[in-house]
Amino acid sequence: AQKITQTQPGMFVQEKEAVTLDCTYDTSDQSYGLFWYKQPSSGEMIFLIYQGSYDEQNATEGRYSLNFQKARKSANLVISASQLGDSAMYFCAMSPFFSGGYNKLIFGAGTRLAVHP
Amino acid sequence: EAGVTQFPSHSVIEKGQTVTLRCDPISGHDNLYWYRRVMGKEIKFLLHFVKESKQDESGMPNNRFLAERTGGTYSTLKVQPAELEDSGVYFCASSRAGLTLADTQYFGPGTRLTVL
Repeated sequence: AQKITQTQPGMFVQEKEAVTLDCTYDTSDQSYGLFWYKQPSSGEMIFLIYQGSYDEQNATEGRYSLNFQKARKSANLVISASQLGDSAMYFCAMSPFFSGGYNKLIFGAGTRLAVHP
Repeated sequence: EAGVTQFPSHSVIEKGQTVTLRCDPISGHDNLYWYRRVMGKEIKFLLHFVKESKQDESGMPNNRFLAERTGGTYSTLKVQPAELEDSGVYFCASSRAGLTLADTQYFGPGTRLTVL
């Protein structure tokens, strides 16, 4: 079964420090995409970063990087130099190949990150 | 470029009533998706449109839910009659093609539905 597991319901980090949010996935597909989304208290879902299963390099987007370890089926999000505005819920999601395309996203339960000053 | 918009932002209805949620995708995005998150659970896929056609509706919970996308632009999701377990946040997302791994889905702010 295809599944995303986020084992950290909540995380705390000091402002300006780095934090790693864990994500493991389960799929038998060889081809899939991995995504991270941020949901601040306002409720909208903001796309952060994407990693393809065939990408050899870890994805990076500004202060966000994805630590992709394919053999371990993990796709951890690393946020460097945390800011107060990073306080939010973070969702890891996978897009498996289905019916000729990459359609539905499968989400983890989310990790709530709190950044302290 | 305007993002995905959803209306209403909140809806409170009584059990047995009907509610219609609306989603306007990003202009030019052929793919439109509905997801929902009920309290304490993961965000779950409901269905996927490509233009006006339903590509995948495997996540629709039952026949009380009806989604339409006439003309391939905005979409509506009707719940009739609403039950208590339908309470949650309903998200809409859109993407350009849906054929590549990197085709990112962009989400709207969600509609929070409360059924009393």
